[in-house]
Amino acid sequence: GQNIDQPTEMTATEGAIVQINCTYQTSGFNGLFWYQQHAGEAPTFLSYNVLDGLEEKGRFSSFLSRSKGYSYLLLKELQMKDSASYLCAVEDSNYQLIWGAGTKLIIKP
Amino acid sequence: GAVVSQHPSWVICKSGTSVKIECRSLDFQATTMFWYRQFPKQSLMLMATSNEGSKATYEQGVEKDKFLINHASLTLSTLTVTSAHPEDSSFYICSAPLGREPYEQYFGPGTRLTVT
Repeated sequence: GQNIDQPTEMTATEGAIVQINCTYQTSGFNGLFWYQQHAGEAPTFLSYNVLDGLEEKGRFSSFLSRSKGYSYLLLKELQMKDSASYLCAVEDSNYQLIWGAGTKLIIKP
Repeated sequence: GAVVSQHPSWVICKSGTSVKIECRSLDFQATTMFWYRQFPKQSLMLMATSNEGSKATYEQGVEKDKFLINHASLTLSTLTVTSAHPEDSSFYICSAPLGREPYEQYFGPGTRLTVT
């Protein structure tokens, strides 16, 4: 079966760095996405990785290792507004998104 | 600004009635749109793929006759929840690929449906 695993909840301090991990087992691979979702709102796109390595975009970076079925989202200089759920999703060989359950990130002052 | 809109943003309906949710792509054409539902504290679940000019493709376990999808134009897809029941109460979200960057899905703001 297809499976996406990510931690249920994480807590970090304002101004610090946090890494959210995601491991996957899917039928084929056409890319991995990270989305941010605030409570009661639709997800917003953060990053897309299809090749191994690190993609940096401002305070957010995303890493992918296809051989290990592993990705992480790195958030630097955390701000209170970063408190949200972070969703990992993999596009399988049929170009459909398989979603993780999301990681709730709590930022403390 | 938003590139995908949904209407209504929230709706309350009585059990047994039908509700139509619209998903529009703004300033771009989408031959394909996706419909998801999200229960509290759970991941998004793909319900169906809406294809302009042809029948929608439903995921396993999603009732075609209950969740009617019509992709009438290149900028509009509608999801109609027929004979709604309280268990259909959920957050319904649509998305569309922008096209020039096909891997990037833009999500609508979602529609919160409450069936009483």
